[in-house]
Amino acid sequence: DAKTTQPTSMDCAEGRAANLPCNHSTISGNEYVYWYRQIHSQGPQYIIHGLKNNETNEMASLIITEDRKSSTLILPHATLRDTAVYYCIVSSDMGRRALTFGSGTRLQVQP
Amino acid sequence: DVKVTQSSRYLVKRTGEKVFLECVQDMDHENMFWYRQDPGLGLRLIYFSYDVKMKEKGDIPEGYSVSREKKERFSLILESASTNQTSMYLCASSFPTGGSEQYFGPGTRLTVT
Repeated sequence: DAKTTQPTSMDCAEGRAANLPCNHSTISGNEYVYWYRQIHSQGPQYIIHGLKNNETNEMASLIITEDRKSSTLILPHATLRDTAVYYCIVSSDMGRRALTFGSGTRLQVQP
Repeated sequence: DVKVTQSSRYLVKRTGEKVFLECVQDMDHENMFWYRQDPGLGLRLIYFSYDVKMKEKGDIPEGYSVSREKKERFSLILESASTNQTSMYLCASSFPTGGSEQYFGPGTRLTVT
């Protein structure tokens, strides 16, 4: 699986959009971009994933650049409950293989 | 709404006890996983099951066994609990296709004294 690079930490004001970047310059054509988050002492939560096109669900939007070398997770109206560590993962086979988190981005939503 | 449930959120056991951790998913997923998560070590796969009665060892299977008698249920067994098995245990499930995502349960924090 391709390696990802994320900022260590970010702050966001409550009610504002949180934009979390991820670089994955060695991504292969059949690899998906996944985002998970983990709130302290809870199980990881799946957020969204995509292959080439931008994706949106009830939680977030995923913007993937045309060359697929980077992506941005957007939480449109961050709340205090969105404070968590966010992980960007690139994988072609997540349904059948162990999931591995990198160090992720610690997002702190400020009141 | 997708759901993976685990039998306990917190568990305290004594050294040498046999411990059962249960996981149930309601998404008709073929694949189920057991991980442990420790500070500084990240997620580590203990066992993986791709069908009823089928299992594969993960990275750290020593001291653990699993059971999958029904599609929706995957049990992790600590045959004789030891203090180094104190950890957060996470169950996940997924469809077996390449673009699938894994859904996790809330986790069981096990303390072995």
